[in-house]
Amino acid sequence: DAKTTQPNSMESNEEEPVHLPCNHSTISGTDYIHWYRQLPSQGPEYVIHGLTSNVNNRMASLAIAEDRKSSTLILHRATLRDAAVYYCILRGEFQGAQKLVFGQGTRLTINP
Amino acid sequence: EPEVTQTPSHQVTQMGQEVILRCVPISNHLYFYWYRQILGQKVEFLVSFYNNEISEKSEIFDDQFSVERPDGSNFTLKIRSTKLEDSAMYFCASSEVRNFNYGYTFGSGTRLTVV
Repeated sequence: DAKTTQPNSMESNEEEPVHLPCNHSTISGTDYIHWYRQLPSQGPEYVIHGLTSNVNNRMASLAIAEDRKSSTLILHRATLRDAAVYYCILRGEFQGAQKLVFGQGTRLTINP
Repeated sequence: EPEVTQTPSHQVTQMGQEVILRCVPISNHLYFYWYRQILGQKVEFLVSFYNNEISEKSEIFDDQFSVERPDGSNFTLKIRSTKLEDSAMYFCASSEVRNFNYGYTFGSGTRLTVV
């Protein structure tokens, strides 16, 4: 399975932007980059995904490197509610059908 | 916004007993999944289900586990004879299409405690 590497933890302040990095140097050409997050005592929540171009939605932005070996999830203005574990997951033909393979993710702490 | 609903939120059961965890996926979704998360560990895939049959399962999903879509709305996970190590959060998820260009929706989970 192609692997993703994320920092174990990050910390930021409320109302500041947060950039969460993910390395995926063995990504294949048809792999999509998905981000999920898990708030305390909740199930995982879909955040955003992309293939090659940068993507924006109401929750976040996803910046994908030109060589696709890394990506960055951007929370433009963090709130306390954004404190969660963030998972970067590759999904594609070679990642095993439909299942999501979760790593340890990045635990994001937001300081008031 | 449409939700995946799971019941109960917490279930306590005696070792060796059967439990059924229930999920109501989003109504127009066709693909259904169960995941579990043992306390402090990663979220792990158990099984995916489409068109009334299992499409993929993990090594964890042994003969003690079964899934069913008994009617048009519910999706259940049954554990026949629970063990202490089955204690975990169990998450149901659904998706509209089988496509890597699409996200899943997860429920809030059922906390299963086997005593």
